Amino acid sequence: KQEVTQIPAALSVPEGENLVLNCSFTDSAIYNLQWFRQDPGKGLTSLLLIQSSQREQTSGRLNASLDKSSGRSTLYIAASQPGDSATYLCAVTNQAGTALIFGKGTTLSVSS
Amino acid sequence: GAGVSQSPSNKVTEKGKDVELRCDPISGHTALYWYRQRLGQGLEFLIYFQGNSAPDKSGLPSDRFSAERTGESVSTLTIQRTQQEDSAVYLCASSVGLGLYEQYFGPGTRLTVT
Repeated sequence: KQEVTQIPAALSVPEGENLVLNCSFTDSAIYNLQWFRQDPGKGLTSLLLIQSSQREQTSGRLNASLDKSSGRSTLYIAASQPGDSATYLCAVTNQAGTALIFGKGTTLSVSS
Repeated sequence: GAGVSQSPSNKVTEKGKDVELRCDPISGHTALYWYRQRLGQGLEFLIYFQGNSAPDKSGLPSDRFSAERTGESVSTLTIQRTQQEDSAVYLCASSVGLGLYEQYFGPGTRLTVT
């Protein structure tokens, strides 16, 4: 059974700092991996999608990497801002490609 | 363009009542998914539709839960005889197809069972 783990559970940093969020998964048979952002009381916003054949994706200050063989992904946020404060969720597709399996998230707080 | 929409945004119901939650996916998306997020827990997959068909209902928590989709569009998640443990945010997502495609999520319905 696929399990997704995110470390750390919470992170507080001062504005301007670069940071890395970690995600690991137990079964390497995935279609893709998605990173999401969730703001309190709101739905999920997709940040980056990495296909299983890809190694990384970039969008603005965000860079996500995928090492499928070791079951790991990282989300790198450059020059963090208070507006980046949110919960970041990592999710992988199941083997059948019919569902996302989510980690419990990392709650990020960026102070000004 | 319009994203995934869900209604109602909030629902408070008494234990034992039935509730219906609605999801309008992005137009043209053939795949639709329901997830649940209970307080302090991760998102939990419930069911998916390919077109109007839901081949695998094993993710539904109990037989009190059912879902349908019509016209390859709107989907309804019904919970009968609600229990307090059903309290959660119910999220709907849609995608162009299964497998490789990005899932887009709606804002969710917060269900509180008193």
